[in-house]
Amino acid sequence: QKEVEQDPGPLSVPEGAIVSLNCTYSNSAFQYFMWYRQYSRKGPELLMYTYSSGNKEDGRFTAQVDKSSKYISLFIRDSQPSDSATYLCAMQGWHSGGGADGLTFGKGTHLIIQP
Amino acid sequence: DADVTQTPRNRITKTGKRIMLECSQTKGHDRMYWYRQDPGLGLRLIYYSFDVKDINKGEISDGYSVSRQAQAKFSLSLESAIPNQTALYFCATSDPPSEQFFGPGTRLTVL
Repeated sequence: QKEVEQDPGPLSVPEGAIVSLNCTYSNSAFQYFMWYRQYSRKGPELLMYTYSSGNKEDGRFTAQVDKSSKYISLFIRDSQPSDSATYLCAMQGWHSGGGADGLTFGKGTHLIIQP
Repeated sequence: DADVTQTPRNRITKTGKRIMLECSQTKGHDRMYWYRQDPGLGLRLIYYSFDVKDINKGEISDGYSVSRQAQAKFSLSLESAIPNQTALYFCATSDPPSEQFFGPGTRLTVL
């Protein structure tokens, strides 16, 4: 079982729809949860990050973390064609020496917003 | 100017050649990372560094080495390139650890 599971899509929705993107994970040591957006031929850019369980909202984007279920979500309201990209979830834990580990990524979901 | 730069942006090389990919950052971050991205496999961590004296192996370090020449510079080397190292390589920096900023990537092809 991979540490982080993410449906690769593609996910195609009409403009204005609410989009739900999800990841599940197996490592209970993960404490930080991130969502990155990656346009074709570009580096990933950080959209949101949350610590532990709960919700976080930023404009049209809402991130949710449920550590008890090992499940995270990203919601996009009023989706726009410019939101078409690959969305990567990422998670981070702490190693025994007290420092943060590198990120563990999902494979990414390719999202298409149809005008 | 970009905060994280990578050189070269594209490189084609032959099996057995030594290759170095370079990363520079102007963000003043201590933490730097190297990832590779393959279709269907996502991003995987190769090496990471918390400061000039601290280098750590990631998930897939075999066949790679790194050098942290200064706070702002972190290089990735392939001592003897092989075709399955063909991938898109990204450098990233962070401070705090959870907010990572990625460079534009280097597309490497090993023939």
